[in-house]
Amino acid sequence: GQQVMQIPQYQHVQEGEDFTTYCNSSTTLSNIQWYKQRPGGHPVFLIQLVKSGEVKKQKRLTFQFGEAKKNSSLHITATQTTDVGTYFCAGPGNTGFQKLVFGTGTRLLVSP
Amino acid sequence: DVKVTQSSRYLVKRTGEKVFLECVQDMDHENMFWYRQDPGLGLRLIYFSYDVKMKEKGDIPEGYSVSREKKERFSLILESASTNQTSMYLCAARAAGMGYEQYFGPGTRLTVT
Repeated sequence: GQQVMQIPQYQHVQEGEDFTTYCNSSTTLSNIQWYKQRPGGHPVFLIQLVKSGEVKKQKRLTFQFGEAKKNSSLHITATQTTDVGTYFCAGPGNTGFQKLVFGTGTRLLVSP
Repeated sequence: DVKVTQSSRYLVKRTGEKVFLECVQDMDHENMFWYRQDPGLGLRLIYFSYDVKMKEKGDIPEGYSVSREKKERFSLILESASTNQTSMYLCAARAAGMGYEQYFGPGTRLTVT
């Protein structure tokens, strides 16, 4: 079945260091979304990418969609303690676009 | 600014009990979802509904059923709770069509003893 994997599973950085999480789908995606879940919270939508090779920025966060639309990345420049949480990518299911298939998630811990 | 609410944040039930988890959304969205979240396993889809009285199984439907009698309400039912159903349960809602964001509820931490 369709799978969306993320690496790394977990990363611990010092405040000020950069961080990147990678998302890889077993199938081509029409779009990809990114969500952030703070500790004890629920996933919250960050952004959506639609075009092949698309790059979008939100302050210190840079999101990329691969040329083949099978992978994506989220890069955080100069992490802050407020970046702590788990980051999920998600794409439409190949058996019905109403469902999202979520990646396995990357948990980020930032030490001050 | 409340969008998706869940009936309980924490719930403790005994093995064999019938458990109801309720979810209500105020966005008039067609699609509603139930996930469970366990450490290291990410978000796994249990069931989803794309319209009133319509439902589809997700990836892990065994041991669960759902009910959607009204558009705004989607219930998850554990017919006979078991300890391996101890988990965080997240409800979500999303508009029909491509490319809409998904709104999650705050989650229910269910413990089955």
